[in-house]
Amino acid sequence: SQQGEEDPQALSIQEGENATMNCSYKTSINNLQWYRQNSGRGLVHLILIRSNEREKHSGRLRVTLDTSKKSSSLLITASRAADTASYFCATDGSGGSNYKLTFGKGTLLTVNP
Amino acid sequence: SQTIHQWPATLVQPVGSPLSLECTVEGTSNPNLYWYRQAAGRGLQLLFYSVGIGQISSEVPQNLSASRPQDRQFILSSKKLLLSDSGFYLCAWRMTGMSEAFFGQGTRLTVV
Repeated sequence: SQQGEEDPQALSIQEGENATMNCSYKTSINNLQWYRQNSGRGLVHLILIRSNEREKHSGRLRVTLDTSKKSSSLLITASRAADTASYFCATDGSGGSNYKLTFGKGTLLTVNP
Repeated sequence: SQTIHQWPATLVQPVGSPLSLECTVEGTSNPNLYWYRQAAGRGLQLLFYSVGIGQISSEVPQNLSASRPQDRQFILSSKKLLLSDSGFYLCAWRMTGMSEAFFGQGTRLTVV
């Protein structure tokens, strides 16, 4: 079963605007990751946030994690047309299921030039 | 450096035919290996994962099976394909204790 659920399912913005995507998950986690997928390609890791962290930055990416609400958000600032892709959150299970890596359904981001 | 190879890139197979998709990893040892399926416009469904040779965990009971005959080789198989097996299949690896996963470029399977 899929652990994460992203919303919105699709997001269309203009270049230069910020894009915010959200992810909710169901069970306890060790960490949460965000990945990007260009159409028809494999996924590429963007950023990881551990369960004891609340916020993390990497370049134009900002990730937050609220373990009490079992939710995370990915903010892409000053978006570019090249940011157009699908974005997925992924979680490791905790304890005995920590080998599993499960993904949400993704948010399709379109950045219009 | 580590690389992952997945082939073929595209495959068209008739219903009832067998399937074998192969994934190999280079430049590392004892990786955790994963097979995912992605339906059009949908998320990734974890099919199988393996933490060692001969060790396969199945997430979804279905028409597929997986094997790991060598440390860095992961094979996805079916004896008889169904129309519903169509999709985009992705192989991934990561090291135990490290969370970042690395993906192959995927195989687009169309069952006709």
